[in-house]
Amino acid sequence: EVQLLESGGGLVQPGGSLRLSCAASGFTYNKYAMSWVRQAPGKGLEWVSIVSDSGDYTNHVDSVQGRFTISRDNSKNALYLQMSSLRAEDTAIYYCARRSDTFFYFDSWGQGTLVTVSS
Amino acid sequence: QTVVTQEPSFSVSPGGTVTLTCGLNSGSVSTSYSPSWYQQTPGQAPRTLIYNTNTRSSGVPDRFSGSIVGNKAALTITGAQADDESDYYCLLYMGSGIRVFGGGTKLTVL
Repeated sequence: EVQLLESGGGLVQPGGSLRLSCAASGFTYNKYAMSWVRQAPGKGLEWVSIVSDSGDYTNHVDSVQGRFTISRDNSKNALYLQMSSLRAEDTAIYYCARRSDTFFYFDSWGQGTLVTVSS
Repeated sequence: QTVVTQEPSFSVSPGGTVTLTCGLNSGSVSTSYSPSWYQQTPGQAPRTLIYNTNTRSSGVPDRFSGSIVGNKAALTITGAQADDESDYYCLLYMGSGIRVFGGGTKLTVL
């Protein structure tokens, strides 16, 4: 069974930094691209970042370019999101999602971790 | 800036049929955008319903179907049930790894 477990969320001040983690299990991790998707309170889903199966390729939504960095450690079956220069508008639940190995969609989701940016 | 449009809300009677749509602020949605659809109930993670325009994800009832209708992607629920009351999101693949979600449709079954 595919399992994705996010951690690392919490309260951080504006301008601060935080690193989210996602522990993956139940599948061959290094065969799948992985993404982060977020959801602000009471709002819709927003795709944030993606990393290729090897970790060689990444991309981010424009609003986090230069502030967030997605990475992975295939030896640990782990996905990360390093967030810096955090703003109030980054407050959201952050979901880890697995990209299908055949099509451009997300076939598995974690339960999410809440990040609150506030003074 | 690419904006993916969805109806903010929709209602359907139990047993009825409803079609939710997913469009672009500029241009038409085609299969090349690899539309997918997700269902989310409050406090829960999204659940994948449809991918590659019209393929149901494992375990999804056949009352859910996906298609292209005119210049939009569409999710049709045939024979709506009370537990279909949820938020529904479409996702389009824009290329170069970039994806954009629609704003979501809140479906009420009453």
